[in-house]
Amino acid sequence: AQTVTQSQPEMSVQEAETVTLSCTYDTSESDYYLFWYKQPPSRQMILVIRQEAYKQQNATENRFSVNFQKAAKSFSLKISDSQLGDAAMYFCAYSLQGAQKLVFGQGTRLTINP
Amino acid sequence: EPEVTQTPSHQVTQMGQEVILRCVPISNHLYFYWYRQILGQKVEFLVSFYNNEISEKSEIFDDQFSVERPDGSNFTLKIRSTKLEDSAMYFCASVVERGNQPQHFGDGTRLSIL
Repeated sequence: AQTVTQSQPEMSVQEAETVTLSCTYDTSESDYYLFWYKQPPSRQMILVIRQEAYKQQNATENRFSVNFQKAAKSFSLKISDSQLGDAAMYFCAYSLQGAQKLVFGQGTRLTINP
Repeated sequence: EPEVTQTPSHQVTQMGQEVILRCVPISNHLYFYWYRQILGQKVEFLVSFYNNEISEKSEIFDDQFSVERPDGSNFTLKIRSTKLEDSAMYFCASVVERGNQPQHFGDGTRLSIL
């Protein structure tokens, strides 16, 4: 069974600094998708970034980028120039290609210090 | 931007009672999901639904649970006889097609069983 592990329950960073959130996963499959979702307090989960496993190039979305290490089964999220609005719970998730369900990590609560 | 909406935001129910959680997925989406998150634990997949039938369900989704799409817009999760351990946050999600498209999540319903 696929599993996703986020080993950092909480992280904090100074505004405008860079922070990296860690995620590792376990799968025997070669084709899959990885996602980072953000959940602000009392709000819905929204997609931050996604990565297709067959792509070697790391995905980027503005200030958000990933470091995808397929052999190491690692998928970390880097947030550059952190802003107060980035404060949220961040979930790493895995989906097998063509499958339907998302498998989530435990989440990392990110605090931005002004 | 279209959103997945869930009602109610908080439901308090006596143990043994039936409860129905409601979701309105995004209108052109075809695949629907329920997830739950027990306080302090991971978000867990419950069930996926496509073309008016369950396409996948987890071992959590036992005979006490059922889903339906009664009118082409709502997507409901029913728990027939609630237990204390059903207390959790329940998230509905939808996606236009399977594969690498991200699922869109609702705000969740907090279910408290007394």
